[in-house]
Amino acid sequence: RKEVEQDPGPFNVPEGATVAFNCTYSNSASQSFFWYRQDCRKEPKLLMSVYSSGNEDGRFTAQLNRASQYISLLIRDSKLSDSATYLCVVNVGNYGQNFVFGPGTRLSVLP
Amino acid sequence: DTAVSQTPKYLVTQMGNDKSIKCEQNLGHDTMYWYKQDSKKFLKIMFSYNNKELIINETVPNRFSPKSPDKAHLNLHINSLELGDSAVYFCASSQDKGTSGGIYNEQFFGPGTRLTVL
Repeated sequence: RKEVEQDPGPFNVPEGATVAFNCTYSNSASQSFFWYRQDCRKEPKLLMSVYSSGNEDGRFTAQLNRASQYISLLIRDSKLSDSATYLCVVNVGNYGQNFVFGPGTRLSVLP
Repeated sequence: DTAVSQTPKYLVTQMGNDKSIKCEQNLGHDTMYWYKQDSKKFLKIMFSYNNKELIINETVPNRFSPKSPDKAHLNLHINSLELGDSAVYFCASSQDKGTSGGIYNEQFFGPGTRLTVL
């Protein structure tokens, strides 16, 4: 089993749609969790950290379920500019950082 | 005022050559990383340095040698380049949780170096 797995995608959705991405991780000792966004031929950039109680940032909502080792990202009212690859990232390090990236899910928001 | 910078942005070279990629961060972070993103877009960690000391060394050929002259720089030297080394290499940095006090320490990435081996 891979350390971090994501929906294979791609997701093609119309503008205004709500879309949800799922991610599972295998290391139960994982300590922190993130969603990154990567545009074509660009570097990954942090979209949001994922807190144990769940958190929201505008149209984006992240949830964490430690018992099921599952992370989700919900995007409401999709915009054309949301088209990108979304990377689930898990930090499994105890000292220092060991960030493990999922394979990413490609989202295309269509006009 | 670039946070994490890499040079060169593009690198085209012949098989068997030796090349280096430089990385610098001005964020005051104490941990730096090298990642490889292959043609399938999978981003995989290669090395991690904390305060100039090697912390993570994933299974990469020993033709790849990172060097950290100080905590703001982490360079990647590659010997005897092979076709399979063609990829985008990203440098990144973060603040160690022990010194920042939190566990949600995001990584900041450089713009990437696209290496093509012919």
